[in-house]
Amino acid sequence: DTGVSQDPRHKITKRGQNVTFRCDPISEHNRLYWYRQTLGQGPEFLTYFQNEAQLEKSRLLSDRFSAERPKGSFSTLEIQRTEQGDSAMYLCASSLDYGEQFFGPGTRLTVL
Amino acid sequence: AQSVTQLGSHVSVSEGALVLLRCNYSSSVPPYLFWYVQYPNQGLQLLLKYTTGATLVKGINGFEAEFKKSETSFHLTKPSAHMSDAAEYFCAVSVRGNKLVFGAGTILRVKS
Repeated sequence: DTGVSQDPRHKITKRGQNVTFRCDPISEHNRLYWYRQTLGQGPEFLTYFQNEAQLEKSRLLSDRFSAERPKGSFSTLEIQRTEQGDSAMYLCASSLDYGEQFFGPGTRLTVL
Repeated sequence: AQSVTQLGSHVSVSEGALVLLRCNYSSSVPPYLFWYVQYPNQGLQLLLKYTTGATLVKGINGFEAEFKKSETSFHLTKPSAHMSDAAEYFCAVSVRGNKLVFGAGTILRVKS
């Protein structure tokens, strides 16, 4: 297994456009987390899934954000009507139950 | 709620000198504590973690940290810095291995 992968690695979009990111976790991991990291800050929790169930969402996750994990495998994070404040690194992590979280390389979003 | 404070956004040491990165946490329940390292354009890598048991925890690359409940601290140390240690370091806390709450990070610079 090559670890957690994220696609794309970089995304540049114009304000108002919709974007979608994908995360492929380590295959046997049942938990999947999304975090957001802005410049000069540590990652902030957005949401997490156990299998296909989304169990917790941060208040940071506005109505413009939606995440899915169909069939409990890969996950997508969609941002609708992007704003400049959405520019950040979006990190995905996976774990087996309450074990160590393994992070992917992240998707860097730039909103112009 | 949990929170983490990392003292010093930038730390500079000479090669071969002691590395000390400070982390204080707040948690209303017994915490799990972590140190992660992030190299430029890469994801987070776990250095070490404390869950229960021995309060002195050894990690990868010669790093260690000591959990001090009375001081609510989990400082990261390494006896002798190497150029390859230059990176950003994040302290994090979780409750029973759930979502991670990160500090703002400390950038370590190693001078030759």
